[in-house]
Amino acid sequence: AQSVAQPEDQVNVAEGNPLTVKCTYSVSGNPYLFWYVQYPNRGLQFLLKYITGDNLVKGSYGFEAEFNKSQTSFHLKKPSALVSDSALYFCAVYNFNKFYFGSGTKLNVKP
Amino acid sequence: EAQVTQNPRYLITVTGKKLTVTCSQNMNHEYMSWYRQDPGLGLRQIYYSMNVEVTDKGDVPEGYKVSRKEKRNFPLILESPSPNQTSLYFCASSQPRQPQHFGDGTRLSIL
Repeated sequence: AQSVAQPEDQVNVAEGNPLTVKCTYSVSGNPYLFWYVQYPNRGLQFLLKYITGDNLVKGSYGFEAEFNKSQTSFHLKKPSALVSDSALYFCAVYNFNKFYFGSGTKLNVKP
Repeated sequence: EAQVTQNPRYLITVTGKKLTVTCSQNMNHEYMSWYRQDPGLGLRQIYYSMNVEVTDKGDVPEGYKVSRKEKRNFPLILESPSPNQTSLYFCASSQPRQPQHFGDGTRLSIL
Protein backbone atom coordinates (compact mmCIF):
# COMPACT_ATOMS: atom_id res chain seq x y z
CA ALA A 1 0.00 0.00 0.00
CA GLN A 2 1.15 3.49 -0.82
CA SER A 3 1.34 5.91 2.10
CA VAL A 4 2.74 9.25 3.20
CA ALA A 5 3.41 10.06 6.84
CA GLN A 6 3.79 13.43 8.51
CA PRO A 7 4.62 12.44 12.09
CA GLU A 8 4.04 15.86 13.66
CA ASP A 9 0.56 17.34 13.81
CA GLN A 10 2.05 20.68 14.83
CA VAL A 11 5.44 22.37 14.76
CA ASN A 12 6.17 25.49 16.81
CA VAL A 13 9.13 27.71 16.02
CA ALA A 14 10.21 31.24 16.87
CA GLU A 15 10.53 33.81 14.11
CA GLY A 16 14.05 33.89 12.72
CA ASN A 17 14.83 30.32 13.74
CA PRO A 18 15.20 27.47 11.24
CA LEU A 19 12.24 25.18 10.69
CA THR A 20 11.81 21.58 9.60
CA VAL A 21 8.57 19.81 8.73
CA LYS A 22 9.03 16.07 8.39
CA CYS A 23 7.69 13.70 5.74
CA THR A 24 8.34 10.04 5.06
CA TYR A 25 6.77 7.88 2.39
CA SER A 26 6.24 4.26 1.55
CA VAL A 27 5.63 3.63 -2.14
CA SER A 28 6.93 1.34 -4.82
CA GLY A 29 8.97 2.56 -7.75
CA ASN A 30 10.37 6.08 -8.11
CA PRO A 31 7.70 8.54 -7.09
CA TYR A 32 7.49 12.27 -7.64
CA LEU A 33 7.46 14.20 -4.35
CA PHE A 34 5.75 17.51 -3.59
CA TRP A 35 5.14 20.00 -0.81
CA TYR A 36 2.04 22.19 -0.65
CA VAL A 37 0.90 24.91 1.75
CA GLN A 38 -2.69 25.71 2.72
CA TYR A 39 -3.88 28.98 4.21
CA PRO A 40 -7.30 29.24 5.93
CA ASN A 41 -10.28 28.95 3.58
CA ARG A 42 -8.05 28.43 0.56
CA GLY A 43 -6.93 25.60 -1.66
CA LEU A 44 -3.46 24.15 -1.56
CA GLN A 45 -0.59 26.04 -3.14
CA PHE A 46 2.45 24.35 -4.64
CA LEU A 47 5.80 24.98 -2.91
CA LEU A 48 8.31 22.61 -4.50
CA LYS A 49 8.83 19.24 -6.11
CA TYR A 50 11.45 16.52 -6.47
CA ILE A 51 11.57 14.32 -9.54
CA THR A 52 15.22 13.46 -9.99
CA GLY A 53 18.66 15.02 -9.63
CA ASP A 54 20.04 16.99 -6.68
CA ASN A 55 18.75 15.85 -3.32
CA LEU A 56 18.26 19.45 -2.14
CA VAL A 57 15.39 21.14 -3.91
CA LYS A 58 14.66 24.85 -3.68
CA GLY A 59 11.15 26.21 -3.95
CA SER A 60 8.93 29.21 -3.36
CA TYR A 61 9.16 31.70 -0.45
CA GLY A 62 12.63 30.52 0.61
CA PHE A 63 11.59 26.95 1.31
CA GLU A 64 13.72 23.96 0.40
CA ALA A 65 13.41 20.22 0.85
CA GLU A 66 15.90 17.44 1.26
CA PHE A 67 15.27 14.11 -0.44
CA ASN A 68 16.79 11.04 1.22
CA LYS A 69 16.23 7.86 -0.74
CA SER A 70 17.62 5.46 1.87
CA GLN A 71 15.36 6.89 4.58
CA THR A 72 12.47 7.51 2.14
CA SER A 73 12.13 11.00 3.53
CA PHE A 74 11.45 14.41 2.03
CA HIS A 75 11.68 16.97 4.83
CA LEU A 76 10.72 20.60 4.27
CA LYS A 77 13.12 23.23 5.59
CA LYS A 78 13.62 26.96 5.82
CA PRO A 79 16.69 28.67 7.31
CA SER A 80 14.78 31.55 8.93
CA ALA A 81 11.06 31.32 9.70
CA LEU A 82 8.61 34.21 9.27
CA VAL A 83 5.33 34.74 11.12
CA SER A 84 3.66 34.72 7.70
CA ASP A 85 4.86 31.11 7.19
CA SER A 86 2.24 29.98 9.72
CA ALA A 87 -0.06 27.64 7.80
CA LEU A 88 -0.89 23.98 7.15
CA TYR A 89 1.71 22.05 5.16
CA PHE A 90 1.14 18.88 3.17
CA CYS A 91 3.61 16.41 1.72
CA ALA A 92 2.42 14.49 -1.37
CA VAL A 93 3.59 11.66 -3.56
CA TYR A 94 2.62 11.02 -7.17
CA ASN A 95 2.94 7.41 -8.25
CA PHE A 96 1.23 5.40 -10.99
CA ASN A 97 -1.15 8.26 -11.91
CA LYS A 98 -2.37 8.81 -8.33
CA PHE A 99 -1.61 11.39 -5.67
CA TYR A 100 -1.16 10.45 -2.01
CA PHE A 101 -1.11 13.13 0.67
CA GLY A 102 0.09 13.15 4.25
CA SER A 103 -2.21 14.18 7.08
CA GLY A 104 -0.73 17.67 7.26
CA THR A 105 1.43 19.59 9.74
CA LYS A 106 0.35 22.88 11.23
CA LEU A 107 3.28 25.28 11.44
CA ASN A 108 3.09 28.00 14.09
CA VAL A 109 5.73 30.72 13.90
CA LYS A 110 5.70 32.99 16.95
CA PRO A 111 7.06 36.55 16.94
CA GLU B 1 -5.76 34.38 -14.87
CA ALA B 2 -5.03 30.66 -14.54
CA GLN B 3 -7.53 29.13 -12.17
CA VAL B 4 -9.61 26.18 -11.06
CA THR B 5 -13.18 27.19 -10.24
CA GLN B 6 -15.48 25.15 -8.04
CA ASN B 7 -19.16 25.74 -7.37
CA PRO B 8 -20.81 25.99 -4.98
CA ARG B 9 -18.36 27.02 -2.26
CA TYR B 10 -20.78 26.02 0.50
CA LEU B 11 -23.74 23.64 0.47
CA ILE B 12 -26.00 22.29 3.17
CA THR B 13 -28.34 19.55 2.04
CA VAL B 14 -30.16 16.45 3.24
CA THR B 15 -29.50 12.74 2.99
CA GLY B 16 -30.45 11.21 -0.34
CA LYS B 17 -30.85 14.39 -2.36
CA LYS B 18 -28.66 14.16 -5.45
CA LEU B 19 -26.10 16.94 -5.85
CA THR B 20 -23.36 17.97 -8.25
CA VAL B 21 -20.26 20.02 -7.52
CA THR B 22 -18.85 21.60 -10.66
CA CYS B 23 -15.18 22.11 -11.45
CA SER B 24 -13.71 24.00 -14.37
CA GLN B 25 -10.12 24.85 -15.31
CA ASN B 26 -8.83 27.28 -17.93
CA MET B 27 -5.26 25.96 -18.30
CA ASN B 28 -5.91 23.19 -20.86
CA HIS B 29 -4.71 20.63 -18.32
CA GLU B 30 -5.09 16.95 -19.11
CA TYR B 31 -5.12 15.64 -15.52
CA MET B 32 -7.96 16.53 -13.16
CA SER B 33 -8.77 15.17 -9.75
CA TRP B 34 -11.18 15.37 -6.81
CA TYR B 35 -10.12 15.17 -3.16
CA ARG B 36 -11.81 15.29 0.19
CA GLN B 37 -10.10 16.82 3.21
CA ASP B 38 -10.95 15.57 6.68
CA PRO B 39 -9.26 16.51 9.97
CA GLY B 40 -6.38 14.18 10.79
CA LEU B 41 -6.62 12.41 7.45
CA GLY B 42 -5.22 15.01 5.09
CA LEU B 43 -6.41 14.89 1.50
CA ARG B 44 -7.66 11.68 -0.02
CA GLN B 45 -8.13 11.26 -3.75
CA ILE B 46 -11.68 10.34 -4.79
CA TYR B 47 -11.41 10.12 -8.58
CA TYR B 48 -9.01 11.33 -11.23
CA SER B 49 -9.07 11.76 -14.98
CA MET B 50 -6.13 11.51 -17.34
CA ASN B 51 -8.05 13.09 -20.24
CA VAL B 52 -11.48 13.39 -21.83
CA GLU B 53 -13.57 10.24 -21.29
CA VAL B 54 -10.77 8.67 -19.19
CA THR B 55 -11.53 8.45 -15.46
CA ASP B 56 -10.36 6.15 -12.70
CA LYS B 57 -10.87 5.55 -9.00
CA GLY B 58 -8.71 7.08 -6.34
CA ASP B 59 -8.51 5.86 -2.76
CA VAL B 60 -12.06 6.69 -1.63
CA PRO B 61 -14.45 6.46 -4.62
CA GLU B 62 -17.43 4.85 -2.88
CA GLY B 63 -20.57 6.98 -3.09
CA TYR B 64 -19.20 9.32 -5.78
CA LYS B 65 -19.37 9.56 -9.55
CA VAL B 66 -17.50 11.73 -12.03
CA SER B 67 -17.56 12.46 -15.74
CA ARG B 68 -15.12 14.09 -18.16
CA LYS B 69 -16.97 14.99 -21.33
CA GLU B 70 -14.94 18.14 -21.97
CA LYS B 71 -11.32 18.81 -21.16
CA ARG B 72 -12.04 21.82 -18.95
CA ASN B 73 -14.85 20.35 -16.79
CA PHE B 74 -14.81 17.58 -14.21
CA PRO B 75 -18.01 17.50 -12.11
CA LEU B 76 -18.35 15.45 -8.92
CA ILE B 77 -21.73 13.78 -8.46
CA LEU B 78 -23.20 12.42 -5.24
CA GLU B 79 -26.23 10.38 -6.31
CA SER B 80 -27.49 9.68 -2.79
CA PRO B 81 -25.47 11.69 -0.27
CA SER B 82 -25.05 10.44 3.28
CA PRO B 83 -23.79 12.23 6.43
CA ASN B 84 -20.37 10.52 6.21
CA GLN B 85 -19.78 12.49 3.01
CA THR B 86 -19.81 15.74 4.96
CA SER B 87 -16.38 17.14 4.20
CA LEU B 88 -14.30 19.79 2.46
CA TYR B 89 -13.84 18.96 -1.22
CA PHE B 90 -11.15 20.16 -3.59
CA CYS B 91 -10.83 19.94 -7.34
CA ALA B 92 -7.37 20.17 -8.89
CA SER B 93 -5.80 20.09 -12.34
CA SER B 94 -2.34 19.76 -13.87
CA GLN B 95 -0.42 18.36 -16.75
CA PRO B 96 0.52 14.72 -16.06
CA ARG B 97 3.09 14.29 -13.28
CA GLN B 98 3.17 18.05 -12.64
CA PRO B 99 2.12 20.01 -9.53
CA GLN B 100 -1.61 20.34 -9.12
CA HIS B 101 -3.50 23.65 -9.19
CA PHE B 102 -6.27 23.61 -6.62
CA GLY B 103 -9.65 25.29 -6.44
CA ASP B 104 -10.69 27.09 -3.26
CA GLY B 105 -12.81 24.21 -2.03
CA THR B 106 -16.44 23.28 -1.45
CA ARG B 107 -17.65 22.80 2.10
CA LEU B 108 -20.42 20.22 1.99
CA SER B 109 -22.70 19.42 4.94
CA ILE B 110 -25.17 16.56 4.65
CA LEU B 111 -27.82 16.37 7.35
